[in-house]
Amino acid sequence: AQKVTQAQTEISVVEKEDVTLDCVYETRDTTYYLFWYKQPPSGELVFLIRRNSFDEQNEISGRYSWNFQKSTSSFNFTITASQVVDSAVYFCALSGWNNNDMRFGAGTRLTVKP
Amino acid sequence: EAGVTQFPSHSVIEKGQTVTLRCDPISGHDNLYWYRRVMGKEIKFLLHFVKESKQDESGMPNNRFLAERTGGTYSTLKVQPAELEDSGVYFCASSIYPIAESTDTQYFGPGTRLTVL
Repeated sequence: AQKVTQAQTEISVVEKEDVTLDCVYETRDTTYYLFWYKQPPSGELVFLIRRNSFDEQNEISGRYSWNFQKSTSSFNFTITASQVVDSAVYFCALSGWNNNDMRFGAGTRLTVKP
Repeated sequence: EAGVTQFPSHSVIEKGQTVTLRCDPISGHDNLYWYRRVMGKEIKFLLHFVKESKQDESGMPNNRFLAERTGGTYSTLKVQPAELEDSGVYFCASSIYPIAESTDTQYFGPGTRLTVL
């Protein structure tokens, strides 16, 4: 069975604070794929990152960074020096090697206050 | 390049009525997916088309839902008759290749918000 858990339902921070969004996954596949999407108030799901299970390198893209830890089945997302425009719902998702659908977490609503 | 588009953006109908949602994938994307998010819960997979063929429809909740993709271009999702629990946001996504066969991802549309009264 595949499952994604985003335990943080809502997070509120003040601008310029760092914030980490947690994502824990469950899968029996040895090869799998992890994703983060951002859903701004406009509603569309914006792709942020894809990580393959065989690549445990952490990734940094500007103020965004991702920490993939297979040992703890986690794929956490950190925003450094948060900005008001980062306010959105963030979804973590998982796909197995032999299926083409994504299993999403419930999402974390991030509010960045000025 | 145009992204995935969905129509309508919002639909409000009464219980028992029929609604048809439309999705236009990114041009050239053979793979088309439908998902829905009900009552603020997680986004759940409904089905997957490869061109005009249904590759996986394991997520379709019941036979009140019918998806089609005639000609392998746009897709429609019909709910007939609609029930209260069908309210939610219906997302469409597309990709060139299946996830496991590429380094790409699924690109999502803005969703259709369906409210059944």
